[in-house]
Amino acid sequence: QQPVQSPQAVILREGEDAVINCSSSKALYSVHWYRQKHGEAPVFLMILLKGGEQKGHEKISASFNEKKQQSSLYLTASQLSYSGTYFCGTESGANNLFFGTGTRLTVIP
Amino acid sequence: EAGVAQSPRYKIIEKRQSVAFWCNPISGHATLYWYQQILGQGPKLLIQFQNNGVVDDSQLPKDRFSAERLKGVDSTLKIQPAKLEDSAVYLCASRQGPNEQFFGPGTRLTVL
Repeated sequence: QQPVQSPQAVILREGEDAVINCSSSKALYSVHWYRQKHGEAPVFLMILLKGGEQKGHEKISASFNEKKQQSSLYLTASQLSYSGTYFCGTESGANNLFFGTGTRLTVIP
Repeated sequence: EAGVAQSPRYKIIEKRQSVAFWCNPISGHATLYWYQQILGQGPKLLIQFQNNGVVDDSQLPKDRFSAERLKGVDSTLKIQPAKLEDSAVYLCASRQGPNEQFFGPGTRLTVL
């Protein structure tokens, strides 16, 4: 039930954009996105619900394609603080999340 | 609002010893989760509680791992006996309904 994320790693310069993808083989009720910095707990970014709209917060937004069981996280005009590992968590029911293997994002000056 | 609390933050034990972790979820959150995160991987669900009942423990190695959530609030996760491959960060998370899930700071376990 573990979702697949791509790419596994990406390096950006400040101000560049990135897209992180998450796909599942199961029908999804929701997708959650988290960012984890080294040695810290995952921090919630946003949740996308089935039938809901695309979410956004400042320069980070996400979409959810229910038919394809896919979600994408968009980072615009990246900042140094965006560095970390991004995880998607997918929910098919039973109120529990299965996390992907993560995408390591590094933003350099 | 206080977040999810966990203790201890770090623990070093030798293989075959026992260890226990404690979690206090956000007040009012009915759902509590324990995850195992091995270095370089995503969190893996071990067990899910709804109040004080177990909803999902299909990925919990029950021959050595046990967990309880008495009175539907705090929870403890125990490993007995520990193996080298149990070295990981153990994350507790809580959630209320279909909303976002909040993680605690985790307990980093090293088994020597």
